[in-house]
Amino acid sequence: GDSVTQMEGPVTLSEEAFLTINCTYTATGYPSLFWYVQYPGEGLQLLLKATKADDKGSNKGFEATYRKETTSFHLEKGSVQVSDSAVYFCALSGNNAGNMLTFGGGTRLMVKP
Amino acid sequence: EAQVTQNPRYLITVTGKKLTVTCSQNMNHEYMSWYRQDPGLGLRQIYYSMNVEVTDKGDVPEGYKVSRKEKRNFPLILESPSPNQTSLYFCASSITGTPRTGELFFGEGSRLTVL
Repeated sequence: GDSVTQMEGPVTLSEEAFLTINCTYTATGYPSLFWYVQYPGEGLQLLLKATKADDKGSNKGFEATYRKETTSFHLEKGSVQVSDSAVYFCALSGNNAGNMLTFGGGTRLMVKP
Repeated sequence: EAQVTQNPRYLITVTGKKLTVTCSQNMNHEYMSWYRQDPGLGLRQIYYSMNVEVTDKGDVPEGYKVSRKEKRNFPLILESPSPNQTSLYFCASSITGTPRTGELFFGEGSRLTVL
């Protein structure tokens, strides 16, 4: 079945550092790929998405490129802020219409001033 | 304001005492779903509903029930809770249940502890 693997956290960075959170997937067909973010005490919010190979999703300074050859969708940001501290989830769409998303385990990011 | 509302946000209960977590959305979404979040496991789907009176099992349905009598509401029922159901629960909705296109909107979560 479909699966998503993320790097384990926590990831601790200083403000303005470069961020990479790795995400790889296994899926049949051609899934869409997503990054969701969960701020403390809140539900998940869609951060960005890509629906086909080589697409780049971007939002709030975050970017991720859909790499079919390496089955990856790594999240990057050039300069993180304290306000980016959150848990980040990589996810893919399933071929089953009822199961909207298969999630990775989540990666906690902590940014220190 | 468009939102998904869950209640209660926090609950401590004892084994075997039936409980219901309510979920309501005000966006006229057709699709609703319940997930549980456990450390290191991400979010796993419990049940989903494509529309009123249509529900189906997700990946981890054992020990849970749902109903969808109205479009806006999708309660999660634990008939006889057990400690392994201690978790953080999220309700989510989408305008469509079609993969690729539908963005999921999440509630703020309900933290359940079963003693």
